[in-house]
Amino acid sequence: QSVVTQPPSASGTPGQRVTISCSGSSSNIGTNYVYWYQQEVPGTAPKLLIYRNNQRPSGVPDRFSGSKSGTSASLAISGLRSEDEADYYCIAWDDSRSGPVFGGGTKLTVL
Amino acid sequence: EVQLVESGGGLVQPGGSLSLSCAASGFIFSNYDMNWVRQAPGKGLEWVSFISSTTTTIYYADSVKGRFTISRDNGKNSLYLQMNSLRVEDTAVYYCARDNSGWDYWGQGTLVTVSS
Repeated sequence: QSVVTQPPSASGTPGQRVTISCSGSSSNIGTNYVYWYQQEVPGTAPKLLIYRNNQRPSGVPDRFSGSKSGTSASLAISGLRSEDEADYYCIAWDDSRSGPVFGGGTKLTVL
Repeated sequence: EVQLVESGGGLVQPGGSLSLSCAASGFIFSNYDMNWVRQAPGKGLEWVSFISSTTTTIYYADSVKGRFTISRDNGKNSLYLQMNSLRVEDTAVYYCARDNSGWDYWGQGTLVTVSS
């Protein structure tokens, strides 16, 4: 069981706005930055979507946004597109483990 | 162009050893911290180990502590992972990733299979 929790699945139709939650504790999300990664195909390299809670690397569309409040974080995707169908992972440093911890991942389906 | 290329994966028996390498190019390798991340078949991502740019700071996941050793050679622009006492549950694709306020570049991964 992951220290950081994500829903295993999420879905939406094209054009919709979907959010993916990431729940942790005071030792990880509560006191450290949250990062989000997109993995289009399991077994292929993930892509950095959001860093430091809400910052987008260059090249990431502004349809993707991140937020954090207390011990939870969320990734929002607006104007959903078929190419957004992928697995999404949150991660944060955990002070009690002296290492980063991933959420279990959320499989996003575009209906 | 930033490139990270892992190598060294393969089939090994439980209890065996394997050494992974990650060749970096297109950036000043010695300026960046690096990580190893793995993904077991059908499972999520799992962070394995971190090494700072000057090797002064090293961290390991509890699942590999005492069995895996991370190292780097800045002169050869290379990152390494020595894996000993391998277990079936270490079977995974292993990625190296550059640490730059997030892991902004990843290699393509190398598959390690631990099986008898």
